[in-house]
Amino acid sequence: DAGITQSPRHKVTETGTPVTLRCHQTENHRYMYWYRQDPGHGLRLIHYSYGVKDTDKGEVSDGYSVSRSKTEDFLLTLESATSSQTSVYFCAISGQLNYGYTFGSGTRLTVV
Amino acid sequence: GQQLNQSPQSMFIQEGEDVSMNCTSSSIFNTWLWYKQDPGEGPVLLIALYKAGELTSNGRLTAQFGITRKDSFLNISASIPSDVGIYFCAGKGGSEKLVFGKGTKLTVNP
Repeated sequence: DAGITQSPRHKVTETGTPVTLRCHQTENHRYMYWYRQDPGHGLRLIHYSYGVKDTDKGEVSDGYSVSRSKTEDFLLTLESATSSQTSVYFCAISGQLNYGYTFGSGTRLTVV
Repeated sequence: GQQLNQSPQSMFIQEGEDVSMNCTSSSIFNTWLWYKQDPGEGPVLLIALYKAGELTSNGRLTAQFGITRKDSFLNISASIPSDVGIYFCAGKGGSEKLVFGKGTKLTVNP
């Protein structure tokens, strides 16, 4: 596999608690992305990063924040988890602008 | 924003049959990509297309970048049970971001 790992793989959390998901890459790729996948919606972009400390919002960014303090790590934080944020979260990396993304194996998050 | 229409949403076929799925866009793309997702895993890149009219094969898979740059199709020949999964198209225009279709769920009956 390409050097991208997500942690944790599974998490159950309570409504109102903060949650942080981690994406770690060993490819030294510039671009990193967070998606959520839900039935009927496909993959929707939450936030992305085009370099250290350079991040931007995607189409479903409300309720989420991100940080990228070093090239290899991209963190996704749910400040106060809600049941609507129950989903499978995927991180992706890309080395060049027009190349395909490499995806991690996903984090299944359940908010109860 | 940019949107992709991927069809069909799902397919149920017999082993050995050929499969065709496609994506259309309201805007022009510079890159078309096709991914496959197995249950419990992230999508994996199957084929990448970078030029209008380009036809590219990867084993039993063939994909084409439409001449108008607004569509792409993926064909799978002689399907086998391990072809089961969700297939996503994705396109990229001038920005850093890929736009994904909603996926085609393929079921292959032995």
